[in-house]
Amino acid sequence: GAGVSQSPSNKVTEKGKDVELRCDPISGHTALYWYRQRLGQGLEFLIYFQGNSAPDKSGLPSDRFSAERTGESVSTLTIQRTQQEDSAVYLCASSLVGGTTYEQYFGPGTRLTVT
Amino acid sequence: ILNVEQSPQSLHVQEGDSTNFTCSFPSSNFYALHWYRWETAKSPEALFVMTLNGDEKKKGRISATLNTKEGYSYLYIKGSQPEDSATYLCALLYNFNKFYFGSGTKLNVKP
Repeated sequence: GAGVSQSPSNKVTEKGKDVELRCDPISGHTALYWYRQRLGQGLEFLIYFQGNSAPDKSGLPSDRFSAERTGESVSTLTIQRTQQEDSAVYLCASSLVGGTTYEQYFGPGTRLTVT
Repeated sequence: ILNVEQSPQSLHVQEGDSTNFTCSFPSSNFYALHWYRWETAKSPEALFVMTLNGDEKKKGRISATLNTKEGYSYLYIKGSQPEDSATYLCALLYNFNKFYFGSGTKLNVKP
């Protein structure tokens, strides 16, 4: 079956521009996660959705970052006024339910480069 | 911020060697530990989800153990093959929703 998809796969943008990253989770998965990996660093948790609700937004790096999810489907991560430190691979993952025993299925990621 | 440490950072072994690496974490209440394999140009894939002290999981030549009291998990690969080359990530779930990932162990298996 279809896995998690993300678009675009690569994005190069100029400093100060806004970008929107999209994630399509596996159908039926109620939980959705956003992570990023900056060069040489580990995966950093950004935000989690259960359905279309994000109970904890504390992982978002700054108020330039926002995310939304439509029902139990597509999610978009928006970065406003991009900075060079925003350059990273942004990964999305979904799982059946947010919880302990449900593994996450990751998308291929969006590589964002801010020049 | 929770500190999840993985060691070694990278590992080079010959085909056929057995190897293991470590995920260390603060020994306190947590819900689950996940192991993922991340091959170059692919998405991370789940290997194991572990929840209990003394939990052991096995999938083919790969196995993992968990010691929650001491705060570590080991991942073992028996008879490494070139296709095992990847970065192995561990992730801790400390509250219901938030995962803390280690930086990973990058394994290179030479034929």
